[in-house]
Amino acid sequence: NAGVTQTPKFRVLKTGQSMTLLCAQDMNHEYMYWYRQDPGMGLRLIHYSVGEGTTAKGEVPDGYNVSRLKKQNFLLGLESAAPSQTSVYFCASSYLGQDVSGYTFGSGTRLTVV
Amino acid sequence: GENVEQHPSTLSVQEGDSAVIKCTYSDSASNYFPWYKQELGKRPQLIIDIRSNVGEKKDQRIAVTLNKTAKHFSLHITETQPEDSAVYFCAAVGPGSNTGNQFYFGTGTSLTVIP
Repeated sequence: NAGVTQTPKFRVLKTGQSMTLLCAQDMNHEYMYWYRQDPGMGLRLIHYSVGEGTTAKGEVPDGYNVSRLKKQNFLLGLESAAPSQTSVYFCASSYLGQDVSGYTFGSGTRLTVV
Repeated sequence: GENVEQHPSTLSVQEGDSAVIKCTYSDSASNYFPWYKQELGKRPQLIIDIRSNVGEKKDQRIAVTLNKTAKHFSLHITETQPEDSAVYFCAAVGPGSNTGNQFYFGTGTSLTVIP
């Protein structure tokens, strides 16, 4: 039982390049989330998914796309990376319903766009 | 949507002293309030949480209090130790729905415990 796994852990991109961050969970959680963490700004929700095949925008969705083709995977894509997307990205997952104490974070991806 | 404010942004205490971090929220529908500890370079980890039907919860040196009327909740750490040094985040969560359990996070408090 690995919990929530993010790959890669580190990446450096040049402006304009594209990449995909992968989040995988083995807890059969319905909900999955992508956050970015910037100094002094806490965690901000980028996109989230309430189930396989569904996605929705969070607080800061611009410049990102997501897909949830399989229940256990939630992909975050950057089509044309910009320096403003330099950040630490965290994935999280949780159960459907009222018991949210099972909310679990991945270990993070540190992305630098130069 | 929900708006969570957290204070202070930085906090330094002497080892053995107490530390208090406060958060306020805006949405009265929020009913779950977790606190996370994030050590440098690591993921946030849940350390304590409280639900809206409870006013206080304690777990060893850590306690959380909730005032629903005033819409604020606080984290209390007693007898602080150097290993308590980390960034602490509060969050407010509304009732689960078909839009998911959205967590609204505070901006974090960097706690330093001075030996």
